[in-house]
Amino acid sequence: GAGVSQSPSNKVTEKGKDVELRCDPISGHTALYWYRQRLGQGLEFLIYFQGNSAPDKSGLPSDRFSAERTGESVSTLTIQRTQQEDSAVYLCASSITSGVTDTQYFGPGTRLTVL
Amino acid sequence: GNSVTQMEGPVTLSEEAFLTINCTYTATGYPSLFWYVQYPGEGLQLLLKATKADDKGSNKGFEATYRKETTSFHLEKGSVQVSDSAVYFCALSDTNAGKSTFGDGTTLTVKP
Repeated sequence: GAGVSQSPSNKVTEKGKDVELRCDPISGHTALYWYRQRLGQGLEFLIYFQGNSAPDKSGLPSDRFSAERTGESVSTLTIQRTQQEDSAVYLCASSITSGVTDTQYFGPGTRLTVL
Repeated sequence: GNSVTQMEGPVTLSEEAFLTINCTYTATGYPSLFWYVQYPGEGLQLLLKATKADDKGSNKGFEATYRKETTSFHLEKGSVQVSDSAVYFCALSDTNAGKSTFGDGTTLTVKP
């Protein structure tokens, strides 16, 4: 079946502009995660959604970052007033639930470049 | 807090060589441990996992054993192939999978 998809695959923007990144999880997966991966570094947790519960936003680096999810489907990560340090690959993942043994399935990522 | 420390790369091996990528962790509670792999031009995908102490995860000739006494989850393969060239990430999930912690990744290059 279809995996996790993300769009756009690449985004180049100017400093100070707002950007929206989209994630379509695997159908039936109740948990959805956003990570940031800077060049040569590991994955940095940003936020996750589990069903209709309030999202865990503890990884968001500043109030310029926000995310929404419609039910158990599409999620949008928004970065306002982008800065050069926001340049990274943004990865989305989904899993059946957020249980400790559950495997996360990753999308291909959105490469964001802030000029 | 939780942390994952991976062997620094890059690692370059000849085909059929033995591979070990070290991974140690710090966590509270009873984490599950994972190895994810990212092949060139592709997204991260699960390679193997172990959900409790002494479990061995295995896939595609790779193995890793969950060692609670040494807080380790080292990845091994007896004979690597060129197609194994990729970036390997060790990760843990502890109580709340939403807060999965990843290592920095180890780049493996296998030469023919």
